[in-house]
Amino acid sequence: DSGVTQTPKHLITATGQRVTLRCSPRSGDLSVYWYQQSLDQGLQFLIQYYNGEERAKGNILERFSAQQFPDLHSELNLSSLELGDSALYFCASSVKLGRGGDNEQFFGPGTRLTVL
Amino acid sequence: KNQVEQSPQSLIILEGKNCTLQCNYTVSPFSNLRWYKQDTGRGPVSLTIMTFSENTKSNGRYTATLDADTKQSSLHITASQLSDSASYICVVSAGSNYQLIWGAGTKLIIKP
Repeated sequence: DSGVTQTPKHLITATGQRVTLRCSPRSGDLSVYWYQQSLDQGLQFLIQYYNGEERAKGNILERFSAQQFPDLHSELNLSSLELGDSALYFCASSVKLGRGGDNEQFFGPGTRLTVL
Repeated sequence: KNQVEQSPQSLIILEGKNCTLQCNYTVSPFSNLRWYKQDTGRGPVSLTIMTFSENTKSNGRYTATLDADTKQSSLHITASQLSDSASYICVVSAGSNYQLIWGAGTKLIIKP
């Protein structure tokens, strides 16, 4: 158990809909990362937040948005869903911004999104 | 362009055998290199991390090597077990903002 929690574990929805994925980082971790992993594909970095502020953006679609709240939990909002958005969505947290050789990301169990 | 390439894409070996996974990177400036293990459907878990000055690091039956001159890393697994079946991902941290460059992973299958 990494200490990172994600809800829900599974989500099934229809095309065109909007969903919200939630992540609670490890106690004390200030940085949160979101990743997308399609079937049999590698992890794709979406976005990073540090202490409530956006710090880095990856291959995140305009239909997707995220935020980190004062209590440090984060939400990833996916709208106008398409079939191709079906994937595992992972959240990870780390203590720092991602700097330093000893900084490690701890991953949550993921949310499996199925768009029908 | 910063890139991390891993080989082979997939590998099948018999239980008890050793294997070596490769990672080549074209990342500059280099900060550190990490190997993750990802079980199917689960989040990745860090195995080892190496900075520029480190040539080798072990974690149980896993031994990672780094050659910063040739920009190559390898992950050697000794006496493989069925539980080693997973994807192994090489991740390089780069630049002043420590951007993470993820490899596509090597899918390892251990057969009894």
